Amino acid sequence: QKEVEQDPGPLSVPEGAIVSLNCTYSNSAFQYFMWYRQYSRKGPELLMYTYSSGNKEDGRFTAQVDKSSKYISLFIRDSQPSDSATYLCAMSGVGGSYIPTFGRGTSLIVHP
Amino acid sequence: GAGVSQSPSNKVTEKGKDVELRCDPISGHTALYWYRQRLGQGLEFLIYFQGNSAPDKSGLPSDRFSAERTGESVSTLTIQRTQQEDSAVYLCASTLMSSSYNEQFFGPGTRLTVL
Repeated sequence: QKEVEQDPGPLSVPEGAIVSLNCTYSNSAFQYFMWYRQYSRKGPELLMYTYSSGNKEDGRFTAQVDKSSKYISLFIRDSQPSDSATYLCAMSGVGGSYIPTFGRGTSLIVHP
Repeated sequence: GAGVSQSPSNKVTEKGKDVELRCDPISGHTALYWYRQRLGQGLEFLIYFQGNSAPDKSGLPSDRFSAERTGESVSTLTIQRTQQEDSAVYLCASTLMSSSYNEQFFGPGTRLTVL
């Protein structure tokens, strides 16, 4: 079993839909939880990060962390075709070099 | 300012040849990371530098892989005697420092194809 599990999709939704992307993990030492967006043939860019449990909102994006279930989510409201990309979750512990462990990414397609 | 840059953007090579990939981090970023991303897979950590020392090389897949960094600047990842399984996108990221959480900024990657 991988440390971080993420369904690769693809996930296809109509424009305006609410999108839910999820990851599960097994390492209870993880404290930082990140979501990256990666467009085709580009490097990942950080969308949001959360420390420990809880919710964080930024515009149309909401990140949730449930450490008791070892489950994290990213919600996208009013999805747009420009949101079409691969979304990678990543997480790291505290201390050391903070090197994140990445999920394999979920491919999202938002069609007009 | 400029972001992380990588060169070449694409590299096609024959099995058995050596390749050198270059990463220019954001100026002032002391930590630099190399990752490998196989098709449809997440990012696989290879090595990171703090300054020009490499405290963690645990992700390098074999002794055919090596990396170096000049001061707090350019880094090169060298793959000797390339194999077809080395085909992947090689991503570089930099961050202010590695001793606390800081956002990693990624370059566009080098797409390596080994024929």
